[in-house]
Amino acid sequence: DTEVTQTPKHLVMGMTNKKSLKCEQHMGHRAMYWYKQKAKKPPELMFVYSYEKLSINESVPSRFSPECPNSSLLNLHLHALQPEDSALYLCASSQGVSGSFADTQYFGPGTRLTVL
Amino acid sequence: AQSVTQPDIHITVSEGASLELRCNYSYGATPYLFWYVQSPGQGLQLLLKYFSGDTLVQGIKGFEAEFKRSQSSFNLRKPSVHWSDAAEYFCAVDPGGGADGLTFGKGTHLIIQP
Repeated sequence: DTEVTQTPKHLVMGMTNKKSLKCEQHMGHRAMYWYKQKAKKPPELMFVYSYEKLSINESVPSRFSPECPNSSLLNLHLHALQPEDSALYLCASSQGVSGSFADTQYFGPGTRLTVL
Repeated sequence: AQSVTQPDIHITVSEGASLELRCNYSYGATPYLFWYVQSPGQGLQLLLKYFSGDTLVQGIKGFEAEFKRSQSSFNLRKPSVHWSDAAEYFCAVDPGGGADGLTFGKGTHLIIQP
């Protein structure tokens, strides 16, 4: 089973709201990722967690706050977003191999976020 | 500069015809290579991957891809497309291995004509 689940599927929020996106996997993977995808564009990496520690932050604004409470769960907390943050937010997971070994990422269905 | 190029933004193919989607990469060494497919409003599904070994790799849904080091290419092929293959196709590379991010090409939008 290579399933990554994401909730909610759709989210509409105002610029003053606080909301959270949730991602879950039960494949025993130790690396989890957040990507942002604008319409008609490829996904862009935001964050990487490896063994529950933040290992990569691609200079993402602080209004996006990731959290990895355990190895199966990844959250993205949202606060004071801008309309230009509207996008599909994709979560992915992988085994989390270290060094230069190959690692395969499996993606969830995404959360469609609209900021009004 | 390191990059992944998918030269074709759109491709239109008749149902039952063969398909080839192009992908070129620019990295110092051979990266790890992937093809993903995305239906509208959906997540990305892994079609196939190349890490090492046999340069012709088989994937799901009847797709295959061939790695050509001399051309820095990893083209995706299918002998006979179905209407359900209409989607966005992304070539991606992981240049360093390990748990780091993928770099995606801009994608190719595949349209299937009846």
